[in-house]
Amino acid sequence: EVQLVESGGGLVQPGRSLRLSCTVSGFTFGDYAMSWVRQAPGKGLEWVGFIRSKGYGGTAVYAASVKGRITISRDDSKSIAYLQMNSLRTEDTAVYYCTRAPEGGYGMFDYWGQGTLVTVSS
Amino acid sequence: SYEVTQPPSVSVSPGQTASITCSGDKLGDKHVCWYQQRPGQSPVVVIYQDSKRPSGIPERFSGSNSGNTATLTISGTQAMDEADYYCQAWDSNIAYVFGAGTKVTVL
Repeated sequence: EVQLVESGGGLVQPGRSLRLSCTVSGFTFGDYAMSWVRQAPGKGLEWVGFIRSKGYGGTAVYAASVKGRITISRDDSKSIAYLQMNSLRTEDTAVYYCTRAPEGGYGMFDYWGQGTLVTVSS
Repeated sequence: SYEVTQPPSVSVSPGQTASITCSGDKLGDKHVCWYQQRPGQSPVVVIYQDSKRPSGIPERFSGSNSGNTATLTISGTQAMDEADYYCQAWDSNIAYVFGAGTKVTVL
């Protein structure tokens, strides 16, 4: 069974940093791109960024709204994807979802985690 | 930046057909997915690559994409289909773009 479990969310002050983790099981992590999608309270979905599999270069691409403040990385030996967020703003408050993105999947996110809530507030 | 537009809400009677549109410039040249999100749950993909259904998704869900509009159609709508639906466009230039979502109410 495919599972994605996010962790690392919580309350953080503006300007601080936070690292989220996404631990997966049930599939060969290294064969897939991984993406992060967030959802502010009561709002819609917003793509944050993704990281390709090593076989496709392992590069990361970020949404313009967060570029320069976030870094997505992966540890294939541990089957974990990370989202490092710096200089957090109140508008970064959201549930952050980890998603699986099949390479060659034409943009589909076929599995989602349960999400982890990040609250940015003083 | 690229944008796609969805209606905020759609109402449908049980057993009838619900159609949700997603509009964007030359959207037919991009790949579209649709996600269903029930309250308090994570999104689930119901249509990918414009019109393909993942395994486990009922046949009453179908999709199309041409010109500037993609459409998700729910035939024989059931109460369990009441949810928020998001379209998502993708290509190598725009990466991933979500619509604002459509709330489907089954009256």
